[in-house]
Amino acid sequence: GESVGLHLPTLSVQEGDNSIINCAYSNSASDYFIWYKQESGKGPQFIIDIRSNMDKRQGQRVTVLLNKTVKHLSLQIAATQPGDSAVYFCAENYNQGGKLIFGQGTELSVKP
Amino acid sequence: ETGVTQTPRHLVMGMTNKKSLKCEQHLGHNAMYWYKQSAKKPLELMFVYSLEERVENNSVPSRFSPECPNSSHLFLHLHTLQPEDSALYLCASSLGASGAYEQYFGPGTRLTVT
Repeated sequence: GESVGLHLPTLSVQEGDNSIINCAYSNSASDYFIWYKQESGKGPQFIIDIRSNMDKRQGQRVTVLLNKTVKHLSLQIAATQPGDSAVYFCAENYNQGGKLIFGQGTELSVKP
Repeated sequence: ETGVTQTPRHLVMGMTNKKSLKCEQHLGHNAMYWYKQSAKKPLELMFVYSLEERVENNSVPSRFSPECPNSSHLFLHLHTLQPEDSALYLCASSLGASGAYEQYFGPGTRLTVT
């Protein structure tokens, strides 16, 4: 079936470095994508979203890139901080309506 | 914290118990969701409500029974659960149920079935 997956289950970066978290999606008809951050003991928190008519969107310290040709989504975090340590999920709007499909998540660990 | 609250935050229940999870959203949204989050697995959608009407039931066993009395409140009634039902149960809400809106999540209820 259709699914959203992440290339790496864990990612460790040095404080101050940039982080890149990747996501592959399989449904070429998906038109809306979201990145969520989930800290330990909390629910997922919205970070940034992007629609399929765009290939890049920037927020505060975060950038999402969408490559529809290879069905790839990435989240870039600039100047990673210890507070960025969490599990990051991507989600796609499956078949243009009805529900979001979530990936497994990548655990980001920031070393001081 | 988001505008979505869940109670209780932790629940331990035996397989013969009956309990309910509660979710409340203060965002004026029209759609509410229940998800199950197990370790090392993606979020699993269980139920979707739009304007208090259930629009999706994702092949969830009948021992889970949702209730949406109004657009701000969502319940998940539990009975005769199995140990494999132990997980984090997350409630979310969004403006609409089309999947084209970001979903706001509550902190979850950590459920342990003994």
